[in-house]
Amino acid sequence: QKEVEQDPGPLSVPEGAIVSLNCTYSNSAFQYFMWYRQYSRKGPELLMYTYSSGNKEDGRFTAQVDKSSKYISLFIRDSQPSDSATYLCAVNSGAGSYQLTFGKGTKLSVIP
Amino acid sequence: NAGVMQNPRHLVRRRGQEARLRCSPMKGHSHVYWYRQLPEEGLKFMVYLQKENIIDESGMPKERFSAEFPKEGPSILRIQQVVRGDSAAYFCASSPSWTSVHTDTQYFGPGTRLTVL
Repeated sequence: QKEVEQDPGPLSVPEGAIVSLNCTYSNSAFQYFMWYRQYSRKGPELLMYTYSSGNKEDGRFTAQVDKSSKYISLFIRDSQPSDSATYLCAVNSGAGSYQLTFGKGTKLSVIP
Repeated sequence: NAGVMQNPRHLVRRRGQEARLRCSPMKGHSHVYWYRQLPEEGLKFMVYLQKENIIDESGMPKERFSAEFPKEGPSILRIQQVVRGDSAAYFCASSPSWTSVHTDTQYFGPGTRLTVL
């Protein structure tokens, strides 16, 4: 079983739609949860990070973590064509650990 | 404030040659991480370095790969005798030196895309 599972998509939505991106993980030791956005041929850009369970909101983006089900989500409201990218979830166990474990990424296209 | 810089952005090598990938961390950052992204795969951790020290190289292949982060100059990821399977995007990330929490502060460079012919 992979440590982090993420549906690669592709996911195509109309402009203005609410987008839901998800990952599951297997190791209950993971404490930090991150979402990165990666445009084609570019490096990953940190979007959101969350510690432990709960929600975190930043503008149109909401990150959600449910540690009981080992499930993490990223919601994008009022999606824009500029949101078209690959979204990577990443996890870390904290406690001095620095290795990020990534999902394979979900490719999102927002159609005008 | 310039971000993480990597060069070259694209590198083509023939089998058996050496590849050298360079990474300059963000200003004020002294922690460097290297990740590899194979086609259709997620990013995989390779190595974590601080100035003049390799802290964790558990993700590095045992042979042909090495990394350094000298006191002066960029971090170097070196791949000797490259093979076709080394073709991938190699990303460098850096984090500040004043925090012990690395997880939320890894900033990535644009990557070097290595193609082995």
